[in-house]
Amino acid sequence: GAVVSQHPSWVICKSGTSVKIECRSLDFQATTMFWYRQFPKQSLMLMATSNEGSKATYEQGVEKDKFLINHASLTLSTLTVTSAHPEDSSFYICSARHGSDSNQPQHFGDGTRLSIL
Amino acid sequence: GQSLEQPSEVTAVEGAIVQINCTYQTSGFYGLSWYQQHDGGAPTFLSYNALDGLEETGRFSSFLSRSDSYGYLLLQELQMKDSASYFCAVNGDDKIIFGKGTRLHILP
Repeated sequence: GAVVSQHPSWVICKSGTSVKIECRSLDFQATTMFWYRQFPKQSLMLMATSNEGSKATYEQGVEKDKFLINHASLTLSTLTVTSAHPEDSSFYICSARHGSDSNQPQHFGDGTRLSIL
Repeated sequence: GQSLEQPSEVTAVEGAIVQINCTYQTSGFYGLSWYQQHDGGAPTFLSYNALDGLEETGRFSSFLSRSDSYGYLLLQELQMKDSASYFCAVNGDDKIIFGKGTRLHILP
């Protein structure tokens, strides 16, 4: 089946550091990728929709200058958490979908656990 | 607004059958998905219903009634490894909206 690779799986860094997370679709071209955030024992919250070759669409309340998304190719999207602070500590998960058809399921990466000290 | 409702917790016995219900209210609907998530892991895709009816995949089945805005996930022959959180999710206009998840506890 479709495989989505997310890297790194764990990040621990100091407050003020910027952190980049990569999301790759390994065996299919993903026109659209999604970035989620999940706090312990809570649901997945969609942060933004990343479309190849265009600007990301951010959900209400998500700071686009804080969470920079780049989708430069059909197999790679990156999320950069700029000047991270302890409140940014969370589980970040990306997903990818075949094409632009909303009637397709998403395939998730394994997630990145971010801890800001 | 958009919302999905599912029970927060369900407890069942090993070997039994359990049903997790999901009702939704969303703008734009293409289908209902179910995902499983173990503690510390990422969600894994279980099933997808675009049309009314029952979809069966091994021990797991999923049902959808679009007219009732309702679906369920049925897990049969429960095993201890099925202890996890289960999320229903609606494929809406250009994105997927997740429910808050149901924590499934399985007793030996």
